[in-house]
Amino acid sequence: EAGVAQSPRYKIIEKRQSVAFWCNPISGHATLYWYQQILGQGPKLLIQFQNNGVVDDSQLPKDRFSAERLKGVDSTLKIQPAKLEDSAVYLCASSLGTVSGNTIYFGEGSWLTVV
Amino acid sequence: GQQLNQSPQSMFIQEGEDVSMNCTSSSIFNTWLWYKQDPGEGPVLLIALYKAGELTSNGRLTAQFGITRKDSFLNISASIPSDVGIYFCAGQPAGNNRKLIWGLGTSLAVNP
Repeated sequence: EAGVAQSPRYKIIEKRQSVAFWCNPISGHATLYWYQQILGQGPKLLIQFQNNGVVDDSQLPKDRFSAERLKGVDSTLKIQPAKLEDSAVYLCASSLGTVSGNTIYFGEGSWLTVV
Repeated sequence: GQQLNQSPQSMFIQEGEDVSMNCTSSSIFNTWLWYKQDPGEGPVLLIALYKAGELTSNGRLTAQFGITRKDSFLNISASIPSDVGIYFCAGQPAGNNRKLIWGLGTSLAVNP
């Protein structure tokens, strides 16, 4: 079974530029998550989708971050304009989204450096 | 936001030793998950626990869902160099909010 796919793996941009990350979840997984992980910390949930609807985006800095999952499968996360403190790994994850199938599986991450 | 209390923060052990780490919470959890993260990779699920008192093994790893539903531990027996990495606990609090809460991780170093 294919895992969660993410791209690009690595990105270096200057502050105030924009960047977009793409995620393809595990087939059949209704729930998709974007996490931000700063070096030395645990993952922090940015946004959670159930199919193509947003379940939780309470920790998403909406002035600069946006995410969409238009067809309920793939998702993109965009940062515009980027700040130095956005340097982190952006992890996409997915789960079945059912009560018994709530285990979350992660992709390898997209590593962002803002200079 | 809410975080789990995960300890120890880091460990440096000799190959062959056993390792134990735990997570505690002030509130009741329905699910406990243990992940390992290697450098440059995303977290990989090791063990998932869904029931109070549940004891589950995965090779040399054993994890338990505490009876009080407020804690969980992970044991690694006979450690090997490839066990090096950061181990995270994550839990889902009881109630309608299904957001996963994360510990800050335990960094494990194994001396061959």
